Amino acid sequence: KAGVTQTPRYLIKTRGQQVTLSCSPISGHRSVSWYQQTPGQGLQFLFEYFSETQRNKGNFPGRFSGRQFSNSRSEMNVSTLELGDSALYLCASSLAGQGIDGYTFGSGTRLTVV
Amino acid sequence: SQQGEEDPQALSIQEGENATMNCSYKTSINNLQWYRQNSGRGLVHLILIRSNEREKHSGRLRVTLDTSKKSSSLLITASRAADTASYFCATDAAGYSTLTFGKGTMLLVSP
Repeated sequence: KAGVTQTPRYLIKTRGQQVTLSCSPISGHRSVSWYQQTPGQGLQFLFEYFSETQRNKGNFPGRFSGRQFSNSRSEMNVSTLELGDSALYLCASSLAGQGIDGYTFGSGTRLTVV
Repeated sequence: SQQGEEDPQALSIQEGENATMNCSYKTSINNLQWYRQNSGRGLVHLILIRSNEREKHSGRLRVTLDTSKKSSSLLITASRAADTASYFCATDAAGYSTLTFGKGTMLLVSP
């Protein structure tokens, strides 16, 4: 079966711009979680969506937002980009979410803010 | 904040040797999971062990869980160069409603 697809793979943006990242989960998975990975902070939880509802949110500013569509595809948006937003953004899909079962990760979107 | 912490931060061994990584966590958990990440790619789920289990095997992987010590270990037997990666433990901790990751152990297996 198809894995988790994240697009785009790489992005270069300028400070102050906004960016939208996309994630298509495994067919049948209703939970999509987003993580930010940086060398200094490791994997930080951003938010989780389940059946189009945000079920949980990490400790990130309001510039980070997301949504989930009826087909379970999810997008995350970062507005007013800062240099510190440069990171690998990973999405993960699972059946139940909330860490109850194993997650399947996409390959990530590498965002560079200049 | 990090719930899990892996130890050591880095481990270098020869092919054929066993590799052991440890994970300690702070609060009670429902389950603990181990993931592998190759060079900045996505994470791959290796194994999930529930709080009422003490040991689990999957191929060359053996995971133990000691809830009284709030710790887990991942043993990779007969390591191969292809096992070179970062390994993360992640916990489904009570009250967190999400999967929380440690900072990982970088494993280098030399031919």
